[in-house]
Amino acid sequence: EMQLLESGGGLVQPGGSLRLSCAASGFTFNTYAMAWVRQAPGKGLEWVSEISATGDKTHYADSVKGRFTISRDNSKSTMYLQMNSLRVEDTAVYYCAKYFFGVYAIFDLWGQGTLVTVSS
Amino acid sequence: DIQMTQSPSSLSASVGDRVTITCQASQGITNYLNWYQQRPGAAPKLLIYDASNLEAGVPSRFSGSGSGTHFTFTITSLQPEDFAIYYCQQYHNLPFTFGPGTTVDIK
Repeated sequence: EMQLLESGGGLVQPGGSLRLSCAASGFTFNTYAMAWVRQAPGKGLEWVSEISATGDKTHYADSVKGRFTISRDNSKSTMYLQMNSLRVEDTAVYYCAKYFFGVYAIFDLWGQGTLVTVSS
Repeated sequence: DIQMTQSPSSLSASVGDRVTITCQASQGITNYLNWYQQRPGAAPKLLIYDASNLEAGVPSRFSGSGSGTHFTFTITSLQPEDFAIYYCQQYHNLPFTFGPGTTVDIK
């Protein structure tokens, strides 16, 4: 069974850092692009970042550019999101999502999410 | 950025009803449009991709249509498990953007 499992969320002060992980299983991780999508409490979905299957191409939403870094370790079937200079407005559930195929951002598999709370 | 709008923002319906949600893009996105369902406390789930293709395992009561800037999502006979929030999402251009969601609740 294909599965994504996020971890690493928690409470952090404004200006702090956190690293999220997304462990994949049940599919050939190194052949799929991946993404992070977040959802602030009671709000809609916001695409955050994407990374190609090989990890050589990345893109970010303007709201996180320069502060967040997406990466992956295909030997561990794991994707990461390093979040620095966190702001209150970064508070959200962070989901990792798998691309359906190629570079087409059709998110056909989602993790259960991990909550990041930025507060003093 | 491409802005996505949905209407209505919420609707109340009964089991067995036909439900239609529209999604409009601020510029043409051909058919690069997906629909997701999100039940309370759960992750989103892909229902329709490329505007009209049903994801594997999704019941046939769900359907989608449209191209360019105007898209429609339909549930032909609402079931109890369909009460949820529905989002459209474009992937024609970065950044990929979602609509604000349509809440379908019980009348």
